[in-house]
Amino acid sequence: GAVVSQHPSWVICKSGTSVKIECRSLDFQATTMFWYRQFPKQSLMLMATSNEGSKATYEQGVEKDKFLINHASLTLSTLTVTSAHPEDSSFYICSARDDSREFGETQYFGPGTRLLVL
Amino acid sequence: GEDVEQSLFLSVREGDSSVINCTYTDSSSTYLYWYKQEPGAGLQLLTYIFSNMDMKQDQRLTVLLNKKDKHLSLRIADTQTGDSAIYFCAGRTGGGNKLTFGTGTQLKVEL
Repeated sequence: GAVVSQHPSWVICKSGTSVKIECRSLDFQATTMFWYRQFPKQSLMLMATSNEGSKATYEQGVEKDKFLINHASLTLSTLTVTSAHPEDSSFYICSARDDSREFGETQYFGPGTRLLVL
Repeated sequence: GEDVEQSLFLSVREGDSSVINCTYTDSSSTYLYWYKQEPGAGLQLLTYIFSNMDMKQDQRLTVLLNKKDKHLSLRIADTQTGDSAIYFCAGRTGGGNKLTFGTGTQLKVEL
Protein backbone atom coordinates (compact mmCIF):
# COMPACT_ATOMS: atom_id res chain seq x y z
CA GLY A 1 0.00 0.00 0.00
CA ALA A 2 0.82 3.73 0.03
CA VAL A 3 2.32 3.96 -3.44
CA VAL A 4 3.00 7.27 -5.15
CA SER A 5 3.84 7.39 -8.83
CA GLN A 6 5.32 10.13 -10.95
CA HIS A 7 5.20 10.55 -14.68
CA PRO A 8 7.35 10.96 -16.61
CA SER A 9 10.36 9.50 -14.83
CA TRP A 10 12.66 11.61 -16.97
CA VAL A 11 12.27 14.27 -19.58
CA ILE A 12 14.55 16.23 -21.88
CA CYS A 13 13.17 19.41 -23.38
CA LYS A 14 14.29 22.48 -25.25
CA SER A 15 14.72 25.78 -23.52
CA GLY A 16 11.51 27.84 -23.59
CA THR A 17 9.11 24.92 -23.61
CA SER A 18 6.81 23.88 -20.77
CA VAL A 19 6.94 20.53 -19.04
CA LYS A 20 4.19 18.92 -16.97
CA ILE A 21 4.96 16.39 -14.26
CA GLU A 22 2.23 14.26 -12.70
CA CYS A 23 2.13 12.91 -9.18
CA ARG A 24 -0.46 10.27 -8.31
CA SER A 25 -1.37 8.51 -5.10
CA LEU A 26 -2.33 5.06 -6.31
CA ASP A 27 -4.09 3.50 -3.35
CA PHE A 28 -4.97 6.30 -1.00
CA GLN A 29 -6.46 9.74 -1.05
CA ALA A 30 -4.26 12.75 -0.62
CA THR A 31 -5.71 16.16 0.06
CA THR A 32 -2.18 17.44 0.45
CA MET A 33 0.79 16.75 -1.77
CA PHE A 34 4.23 18.29 -1.76
CA TRP A 35 6.70 19.15 -4.49
CA TYR A 36 10.41 19.06 -3.80
CA ARG A 37 13.45 19.83 -5.85
CA GLN A 38 16.77 18.13 -5.40
CA PHE A 39 20.08 19.19 -6.93
CA PRO A 40 22.88 16.65 -7.34
CA LYS A 41 24.33 15.54 -4.03
CA GLN A 42 22.08 17.89 -2.11
CA SER A 43 19.09 17.60 0.12
CA LEU A 44 15.45 18.05 -0.81
CA MET A 45 14.11 21.56 -0.90
CA LEU A 46 10.38 22.01 -0.51
CA MET A 47 9.00 24.08 -3.36
CA ALA A 48 5.30 24.12 -2.61
CA THR A 49 2.43 22.46 -0.85
CA SER A 50 -0.36 21.39 -3.16
CA ASN A 51 -3.88 21.44 -1.74
CA GLU A 52 -6.79 19.72 -3.44
CA GLY A 53 -9.39 22.23 -4.54
CA SER A 54 -7.43 25.31 -3.54
CA LYS A 55 -4.32 27.24 -4.44
CA ALA A 56 -0.91 25.86 -3.74
CA THR A 57 1.25 27.37 -1.03
CA TYR A 58 4.70 28.26 -2.33
CA GLU A 59 7.88 28.46 -0.31
CA GLN A 60 9.81 31.67 -0.20
CA GLY A 61 11.81 32.25 -3.34
CA VAL A 62 9.79 29.88 -5.54
CA GLU A 63 8.07 31.62 -8.45
CA LYS A 64 4.44 30.56 -8.59
CA ASP A 65 4.09 31.70 -12.19
CA LYS A 66 7.09 29.63 -13.14
CA PHE A 67 6.05 26.47 -11.34
CA LEU A 68 2.32 26.01 -11.81
CA ILE A 69 0.64 23.52 -9.53
CA ASN A 70 -2.78 22.01 -10.03
CA HIS A 71 -4.37 19.57 -7.59
CA ALA A 72 -7.65 18.77 -9.26
CA SER A 73 -8.46 15.51 -7.53
CA LEU A 74 -7.63 13.65 -4.33
CA THR A 75 -5.16 11.44 -6.17
CA LEU A 76 -3.46 13.74 -8.67
CA SER A 77 -1.28 16.81 -8.51
CA THR A 78 0.60 18.27 -11.45
CA LEU A 79 3.62 20.54 -11.58
CA THR A 80 4.16 22.48 -14.78
CA VAL A 81 7.53 24.09 -15.33
CA THR A 82 6.74 26.95 -17.68
CA SER A 83 9.24 28.33 -20.16
CA ALA A 84 11.89 25.99 -18.87
CA HIS A 85 15.53 27.05 -18.89
CA PRO A 86 18.71 25.07 -18.26
CA GLU A 87 18.82 26.25 -14.63
CA ASP A 88 15.49 24.45 -14.08
CA SER A 89 17.21 21.15 -14.75
CA SER A 90 16.87 19.14 -11.58
CA PHE A 91 15.31 16.12 -9.92
CA TYR A 92 11.72 16.83 -8.93
CA ILE A 93 10.14 14.64 -6.26
CA CYS A 94 6.58 14.71 -5.04
CA SER A 95 5.13 13.30 -1.86
CA ALA A 96 1.57 12.69 -0.79
CA ARG A 97 0.06 12.75 2.65
CA ASP A 98 -2.30 9.86 3.33
CA ASP A 99 -5.57 11.39 4.52
CA SER A 100 -6.44 8.27 6.49
CA ARG A 101 -3.37 8.51 8.69
CA GLU A 102 -3.17 11.21 11.30
CA PHE A 103 0.27 10.74 12.77
CA GLY A 104 3.70 9.45 12.00
CA GLU A 105 4.34 8.08 8.58
CA THR A 106 2.03 10.35 6.72
CA GLN A 107 4.08 11.31 3.67
CA TYR A 108 4.90 8.91 0.90
CA PHE A 109 7.33 9.85 -1.82
CA GLY A 110 7.23 9.31 -5.54
CA PRO A 111 10.23 7.96 -7.48
CA GLY A 112 11.12 11.37 -8.85
CA THR A 113 11.29 12.99 -12.28
CA ARG A 114 14.60 14.02 -13.75
CA LEU A 115 14.30 17.11 -15.94
CA LEU A 116 17.03 18.18 -18.32
CA VAL A 117 16.54 21.43 -20.20
CA LEU A 118 18.81 21.92 -23.19
CA GLY B 1 13.16 27.74 10.43
CA GLU B 2 14.66 24.46 11.44
CA ASP B 3 18.16 23.42 10.52
CA VAL B 4 18.98 19.75 10.27
CA GLU B 5 22.60 18.69 9.94
CA GLN B 6 24.17 15.36 9.08
CA SER B 7 27.66 14.16 8.35
CA LEU B 8 28.18 13.81 4.62
CA PHE B 9 29.75 10.42 4.25
CA LEU B 10 30.16 7.15 6.11
CA SER B 11 32.00 4.06 5.02
CA VAL B 12 31.60 0.68 6.75
CA ARG B 13 32.49 -2.92 6.07
CA GLU B 14 29.80 -5.44 5.26
CA GLY B 15 28.53 -7.07 8.42
CA ASP B 16 29.52 -4.19 10.68
CA SER B 17 27.04 -1.79 12.26
CA SER B 18 26.51 1.66 10.78
CA VAL B 19 25.55 4.67 12.84
CA ILE B 20 24.28 7.75 11.04
CA ASN B 21 23.89 10.89 13.11
CA CYS B 22 21.63 13.90 12.80
CA THR B 23 21.29 17.10 14.80
CA TYR B 24 18.37 19.48 14.63
CA THR B 25 17.61 22.90 16.03
CA ASP B 26 13.84 23.03 16.51
CA SER B 27 13.01 21.51 19.87
CA SER B 28 9.33 21.47 18.97
CA SER B 29 9.87 18.82 16.31
CA THR B 30 7.33 16.17 17.18
CA TYR B 31 8.16 13.53 14.60
CA LEU B 32 11.59 12.65 13.31
CA TYR B 33 12.05 10.44 10.29
CA TRP B 34 14.72 8.49 8.50
CA TYR B 35 14.50 8.11 4.74
CA LYS B 36 16.69 6.13 2.33
CA GLN B 37 17.41 7.27 -1.21
CA GLU B 38 19.05 4.99 -3.73
CA PRO B 39 20.69 6.48 -6.85
CA GLY B 40 18.17 8.09 -9.18
CA ALA B 41 15.21 7.12 -7.02
CA GLY B 42 12.76 8.74 -4.67
CA LEU B 43 12.76 8.50 -0.92
CA GLN B 44 11.83 5.38 0.99
CA LEU B 45 10.57 5.85 4.52
CA LEU B 46 12.61 3.61 6.83
CA THR B 47 11.31 4.49 10.23
CA TYR B 48 10.16 7.37 12.39
CA ILE B 49 10.12 8.24 16.07
CA PHE B 50 7.80 10.39 18.09
CA SER B 51 9.47 13.01 20.24
CA ASN B 52 8.34 11.45 23.52
CA MET B 53 10.29 8.28 22.73
CA ASP B 54 13.96 7.64 23.40
CA MET B 55 14.40 4.61 21.24
CA LYS B 56 12.67 2.63 18.56
CA GLN B 57 13.80 -0.66 17.10
CA ASP B 58 12.60 -2.18 13.87
CA GLN B 59 14.45 -5.32 12.77
CA ARG B 60 17.99 -4.20 11.85
CA LEU B 61 17.22 -0.53 12.47
CA THR B 62 17.51 1.22 15.82
CA VAL B 63 16.66 4.88 16.25
CA LEU B 64 17.93 6.77 19.27
CA LEU B 65 16.66 10.21 20.21
CA ASN B 66 18.31 12.55 22.68
CA LYS B 67 15.94 15.46 23.01
CA LYS B 68 18.16 17.37 25.38
CA ASP B 69 20.98 17.46 22.85
CA LYS B 70 18.61 17.50 19.84
CA HIS B 71 20.44 14.50 18.45
CA LEU B 72 19.00 11.66 16.45
CA SER B 73 20.81 8.57 15.25
CA LEU B 74 20.07 5.59 13.04
CA ARG B 75 21.92 2.35 13.67
CA ILE B 76 21.88 -0.32 11.01
CA ALA B 77 22.96 -3.70 12.30
CA ASP B 78 24.74 -6.21 10.07
CA THR B 79 25.09 -3.67 7.25
CA GLN B 80 24.77 -5.16 3.78
CA THR B 81 25.87 -3.87 0.37
CA GLY B 82 22.21 -3.21 -0.41
CA ASP B 83 22.21 -0.65 2.38
CA SER B 84 24.51 1.60 0.35
CA ALA B 85 22.46 4.73 -0.28
CA ILE B 86 21.94 8.27 0.96
CA TYR B 87 20.13 8.54 4.27
CA PHE B 88 18.13 11.63 5.19
CA CYS B 89 16.76 12.54 8.55
CA ALA B 90 13.77 14.86 8.59
CA GLY B 91 11.74 16.64 11.23
CA ARG B 92 8.10 17.61 11.38
CA THR B 93 6.60 19.97 13.90
CA GLY B 94 3.20 19.51 15.49
CA GLY B 95 0.23 19.33 13.20
CA GLY B 96 2.08 20.82 10.29
CA ASN B 97 2.76 18.74 7.24
CA LYS B 98 6.06 20.28 6.27
CA LEU B 99 9.19 18.22 6.59
CA THR B 100 12.62 19.75 6.96
CA PHE B 101 15.29 17.45 5.59
CA GLY B 102 18.84 17.06 6.68
CA THR B 103 21.75 17.35 4.31
CA GLY B 104 21.92 13.60 3.78
CA THR B 105 24.61 11.05 4.64
CA GLN B 106 26.03 8.85 1.92
CA LEU B 107 26.61 5.37 3.29
CA LYS B 108 29.04 3.18 1.43
CA VAL B 109 29.26 -0.47 2.36
CA GLU B 110 32.49 -2.18 1.40
CA LEU B 111 33.15 -5.88 1.10
